[in-house]
Amino acid sequence: QKEVEQNSGPLSVPEGAIASLNCTYSDRGSQSFFWYRQYSGKSPELIMSIYSNGDKEDGRFTAQLNKASQYVSLLIRDSQPSDSATYLCAVLGSSNTGKLIFGQGTTLQVKP
Amino acid sequence: EADIYQTPRYLVIGTGKKITLECSQTMGHDKMYWYQQDPGMELHLIHYSYGVNSTEKGDLSSESTVSRIRTEHFPLTLESARPSHTSQYLCASKNPNTEAFFGQGTRLTVV
Repeated sequence: QKEVEQNSGPLSVPEGAIASLNCTYSDRGSQSFFWYRQYSGKSPELIMSIYSNGDKEDGRFTAQLNKASQYVSLLIRDSQPSDSATYLCAVLGSSNTGKLIFGQGTTLQVKP
Repeated sequence: EADIYQTPRYLVIGTGKKITLECSQTMGHDKMYWYQQDPGMELHLIHYSYGVNSTEKGDLSSESTVSRIRTEHFPLTLESARPSHTSQYLCASKNPNTEAFFGQGTRLTVV
C-alpha cells in the first residue's frame, strides 16, 4: 500500500463547475497535510495546508480533512481553464524526522 | 517568493561522470528534501534531512548520496552517472510550521 494515494485521473470538468480531488494516507499519526499544484515542466506550488479536522477555505479552494478516515480532499469552485494542472497531495509523517511524502497526483482538465 | 535555489538548471553529462547537484536555501529551514520526478510521473522522495549531519534515505532507492554540513546547503552527488539517472531532481525545504518550498529543479540528462 502506498503511503499517500490519489486517483491519477484525468479528471475532466466543464468551466465553472466544482472539481473534487481526493487523497488517502496510511500513517495514522500524520498531522500536516498539503495540496500543491504543478504545471507541466514546473515545480510544485502550494495551494492549501490543513492541520485539523474539518474544512479550510481560501478563495475558490476548500480543503477538507478527516483524520479518522485518513482522508483529505480539495474542492475547486468555479473551475477555470487555468486550473488545468496536476494536483499533488502531500502528507508529513508522524516521526520527528519530517518525512514528506507526495501522492502520485491527479490531473485536472477544465474544459472551456 | 521562496529563497531556495538549485544549480544547474539543466545538465547533460556523459556516462560514468561524477556529478553534484546543488541546493541552497536562505530561510533557515531545518528540513530539506530531494525528490526525483520523470516527466508526467509522480514525485519520489530519494533523500531527506532534518538538520545538520542528519540525513535519511527516502522511499525510492537511489544510487545518489547527500550531505548536510550546513543548514542552508544540501547537495546531491552521483559518483558515476548512468542513462537511468536521467530525470528531473527537485529540492525542497521546510520548517515545522510551514509548507515545503521548492527550487526550480535540475533537469539531468545522462548520455
